[in-house]
Amino acid sequence: GDSVTQMEGPVTLSEEAFLTINCTYTATGYPSLFWYVQYPGEGLQLLLKATKADDKGSNKGFEATYRKETTSFHLEKGSVQVSDSAVYFCALSSNTGGFKTIFGAGTRLFVKA
Amino acid sequence: DSGVTQTPKHLITATGQRVTLRCSPRSGDLSVYWYQQSLDQGLQFLIQYYNGEERAKGNILERFSAQQFPDLHSELNLSSLELGDSALYFCASSAPWTSGRDEQFFGPGTRLTVL
Repeated sequence: GDSVTQMEGPVTLSEEAFLTINCTYTATGYPSLFWYVQYPGEGLQLLLKATKADDKGSNKGFEATYRKETTSFHLEKGSVQVSDSAVYFCALSSNTGGFKTIFGAGTRLFVKA
Repeated sequence: DSGVTQTPKHLITATGQRVTLRCSPRSGDLSVYWYQQSLDQGLQFLIQYYNGEERAKGNILERFSAQQFPDLHSELNLSSLELGDSALYFCASSAPWTSGRDEQFFGPGTRLTVL
């Protein structure tokens, strides 16, 4: 079945460090891919998305590229801030074999000043 | 503000009891999803409704049930509550599939504590 696997956390970085959170997926058909972010005490909110191979989603300095050949959608940011501390979820949605949305387990990021 | 509202914000109850969580989707959205988030942060999909009909089912316990009403708001009913049901329950909504927009918009959640 379809699945999403993301790197385990927590990830701890110093301010201005480079961030990568790995995400790989298994899916039939051509899913849409998403990164959601959950700040402390809040619900999830969409960070970025990509709907087809080689698309790059970007928002707030974060970016991720839909790589069909490696079935990956890694999240990157060139210089993190303390305010980026949150839990990041990779997800896919697909209408192949029935509509479904699948979330990864989440990766907690701590950014130190 | 995502436009999705959930009530109540907090709920404290005892084992064996029954509670109802309510969700109002964003204006125009037809899909409603329910998720359970445990303390270790995992997000578990429970169930999805589309325009009043059940569309997808996740690992929802038989003690849990949901429905979506004609005005598109949804309720999640949890019965015979156990300590392990303590969690954050999120509702999300999304636009009609024909819109081509399939991202979900999450509400602020209901924190359920079972004592």
